[in-house]
This record gives sequence, C-alpha cells and structure tokens, in this order.
Amino acid sequence: DGGITQSPKYLFRKEGQNVTLSCEQNLNHDAMYWYRQDPGQGLRLIYYSQIVNDFQKGDIAEGYSVSREKKESFPLTVTSAQKNPTAFYLCASSISARSSAETQYFGPGTRLLVL
Amino acid sequence: EDQVTQSPEALRLQEGESSSLNCSYTVSGLRGLFWYRQDPGKGPEFLFTLYSAGEEKEKERLKATLTKKESFLHITAPKPEDSATYLCAGSDTGRRALTFGSGTRLQVQP
Repeated sequence: DGGITQSPKYLFRKEGQNVTLSCEQNLNHDAMYWYRQDPGQGLRLIYYSQIVNDFQKGDIAEGYSVSREKKESFPLTVTSAQKNPTAFYLCASSISARSSAETQYFGPGTRLLVL
Repeated sequence: EDQVTQSPEALRLQEGESSSLNCSYTVSGLRGLFWYRQDPGKGPEFLFTLYSAGEEKEKERLKATLTKKESFLHITAPKPEDSATYLCAGSDTGRRALTFGSGTRLQVQP
C-alpha cells in the first residue's frame, strides 16, 4: 500500500528544545513538502525539496531546518528559534516539482504542542 | 501576491440540501486549481485538479468547476458523511508549492 507516513502523531516540545518530525513516502515521488496549518488559516509552506540533497525555503522557513538524504525521507526539525511552534504539521509529496501543476498528496499530520 | 479566498467560512446544510462552495483566486499564471477534503485531525485528501476555465470534474456527489476568476465545488444531495473542511489551492508558474485558502467547514445534518 503506497502512501505517506508521518510520526509521531503528537509531539510535545519543551522550551529551548529541538524536535524532529518524521515524513516517509513509498510513492517513488521526487518532490516533498512541509506545510504548517494553524486554526482558521490556510496551509503555509515551510520547505520543499525537488530531489535528493536539495531543498528550498518556503514562506515561513525561519526556525525550521530540513534534510533530504534519501528519496523516501524528508524530516523536519523545529528548532528553539521557532518561538511559536504549536501547530499541525503536514508533509506532502508529488511525482515531481518540474511543474507546479503536479498534484500533491498529504500525510496524516503531526500535532506539535509546547509544554 | 497570490491569494486564494474561500467562502463561506462555514456552512450548515440539511441532508439532501444541495449547495456550492466558492473559491476565488488572484494567482497570476494559474497552472492548476486543487480541491481537497480534510477531516478533523487528519491530512487533506485530494479530490480534484482543474487546469483551464470551463473544465468540470465530478466524483460521487461532488462537482468542481473553474472559471477565469473562481472555482465552485457543488455538493448535490449531501449526506452527513460529507461533513468536513474543504480546501482550495492554486499553483502558478513561479512557485513550486500551493497557495491555500483557509477552507470552508461543511456540516451536513441528518
């Protein structure tokens, strides 16, 4: 069964702590994305990656970092520099990023809460 | 700046009462208009992609249409299981990611 998995489902962060959200896909998609969703707002792009070992900042990259060492994996680290990290984080993938008209498919999300 | 606006913010329907959700966009060089369904606490589920004005797509009780300035998601004879938030997103020639609206929360009462 192909799809996108995100873990954990819930994550708690203490002040000054870095935390990492996992995203794995077995769809053989080249492009992967991270979005943040806050109540009453649209999804906002944090980072995206078109191919392995390459990634670009989105609209709200400050306080976040990513890596893309494998095609299947695109982990997101929320650093202590992110002052308002409480949100629902969504990972997505598309066949490629050559065209912005490619359909993006989403994982189940990780809810991050600050203790 | 690209912008996607959805209306209404919330909609309550009786089962069987058809209606439409609106998505207006100011996306220069629109490449695609996407509709997703999102249940509480879950990731968005892909519904439709529309590429050009006049295009229509259907899936069960849902039909999406696209004009040069807006898209509509028509819901015919909805059932309680259609209750969800419906998200609209646009892509343009410059960005590699989608610009999302804030969604319409639909509640269908039996």
